[in-house]
Amino acid sequence: DTAVSQTPKYLVTQMGNDKSIKCEQNLGHDTMYWYKQDSKKFLKIMFSYNNKELIINETVPNRFSPKSPDKAHLNLHINSLELGDSAVYFCASSRAWDRGYVDSPLHFGNGTRLTVT
Amino acid sequence: AQKVTQAQTEISVVEKEDVTLDCVYETRDTTYYLFWYKQPPSGELVFLIRRNSFDEQNEISGRYSWNFQKSTSSFNFTITASQVVDSAVYFCALSATNTNAGKSTFGDGTTLTVKP
Repeated sequence: DTAVSQTPKYLVTQMGNDKSIKCEQNLGHDTMYWYKQDSKKFLKIMFSYNNKELIINETVPNRFSPKSPDKAHLNLHINSLELGDSAVYFCASSRAWDRGYVDSPLHFGNGTRLTVT
Repeated sequence: AQKVTQAQTEISVVEKEDVTLDCVYETRDTTYYLFWYKQPPSGELVFLIRRNSFDEQNEISGRYSWNFQKSTSSFNFTITASQVVDSAVYFCALSATNTNAGKSTFGDGTTLTVKP
């Protein structure tokens, strides 16, 4: 009964390819996120969806496109992969910030290690 | 704007030593929440504790304790009698009610190595 699950765990691909990472949560949360962790372990938010609506879109190249078919799923599609996209991508979820749950901690998936060669 | 600073990039201690991880934050909001997360070598990110801006009581959970001081905008984390299993990257984070759509701002993390 994994709370936040993302697949695949590892993704090795060549420059120029398109790839997707899937994320699902069974916690009943309304808000989901994608974070990128670089080689120095810095965590940066990329996107946030609240009830399927995009609410945070940091300065991320438009080669990255999130999609939320329902509030339990948030997928990340990356076009034309570049070497600099190599990182660990974390999906996370929390209770709805817009209903006052700013105190809700993030529940993270186990991460997807993307390596672009 | 929100900011979280973890000035200690890396800390190395020997088992059984006490160690304190520093976290200093900036926010203009009067209502905010502070968090600590742990990332062990296996890579997952685990929530440890949350503290709101109106509650300055220190908290102790086993060997872990947290000291929140609004006067110095700090939320420090102390591990008493450290163990090898405490080796991890520790992140401090801040989220506020009125800014950033509830987005958590993370510090850059402190890598703690506990040697046997």
